[in-house]
Amino acid sequence: GAVVSQHPSWVICKSGTSVKIECRSLDFQATTMFWYRQFPKQSLMLMATSNEGSKATYEQGVEKDKFLINHASLTLSTLTVTSAHPEDSSFYICSAYTPVNSPLHFGNGTRLTVT
Amino acid sequence: RKEVEQDPGPFNVPEGATVAFNCTYSNSASQSFFWYRQDCRKEPKLLMSVYSSGNEDGRFTAQLNRASQYISLLIRDSKLSDSATYLCVVKDNAGNMLTFGGGTRLMVKP
Repeated sequence: GAVVSQHPSWVICKSGTSVKIECRSLDFQATTMFWYRQFPKQSLMLMATSNEGSKATYEQGVEKDKFLINHASLTLSTLTVTSAHPEDSSFYICSAYTPVNSPLHFGNGTRLTVT
Repeated sequence: RKEVEQDPGPFNVPEGATVAFNCTYSNSASQSFFWYRQDCRKEPKLLMSVYSSGNEDGRFTAQLNRASQYISLLIRDSKLSDSATYLCVVKDNAGNMLTFGGGTRLMVKP
C-alpha cells in the first residue's frame, strides 16, 4: 500500500532552534499534503494544506512565518518550525493523498520536544 | 456546531463486548467517509472506508446514514488490542477538504 515517510521521528532541541521535518510519499505522487499537530490527549489539529508548487494554506491561528511549509515536488513536503519554543513541543504528523476517492496516508509522526 | 462530531468517550467495555460509535457530519454534500484508528503517540491508521451500502471487515462494520448525516462503526467481540482512539474523517464533495472528528476513545478491559 501507499507509504508516507516522515523524518525525523523524534527531535529534542533548545529553545530558539529551527527544526525541519520532512514528509515523503514513497510510492505515489501526492498532489496535496497536510500538516497536523497533536497535543497530548487532544485530537489532530490541521495546521496547513500544501499543494505542490504553490503556497500553503494555513488554518486560522497558525503563524505562517513560524511554520514554514515547502512542497517543492510531488513527493516531498517540509515543515520548518522556526525559532522553536517550549510551547511548540507537540506531535507533528503529515499526511498525503491523491484526489481520486482515496483516504489519507499518514506519516509516522515527529515528536518535537523543545527545552 | 462542529463540522464533524464524535463522542470523545472513553467507552469502557469488557472483552467480548460489542460497542458502537457514531460520527455526525454537518455538510450534506460530503462525499467520502473513513474510520481511522490512532494508538497513543502514534499516527492514525486507516481502519476502513465507509461505503453507502455499508461494509464489513471481520469484526468491524461501518455504516453510512446520509439522511441523518452520520456514520457508525460497530466492533464485535472486542479485544484488548482494540483499545485506541477511533477517528472519523469526512471528505467534501470536491475531494479537497478533509475534516476529522475529535476521536472516540475506546478502552477494552479484561
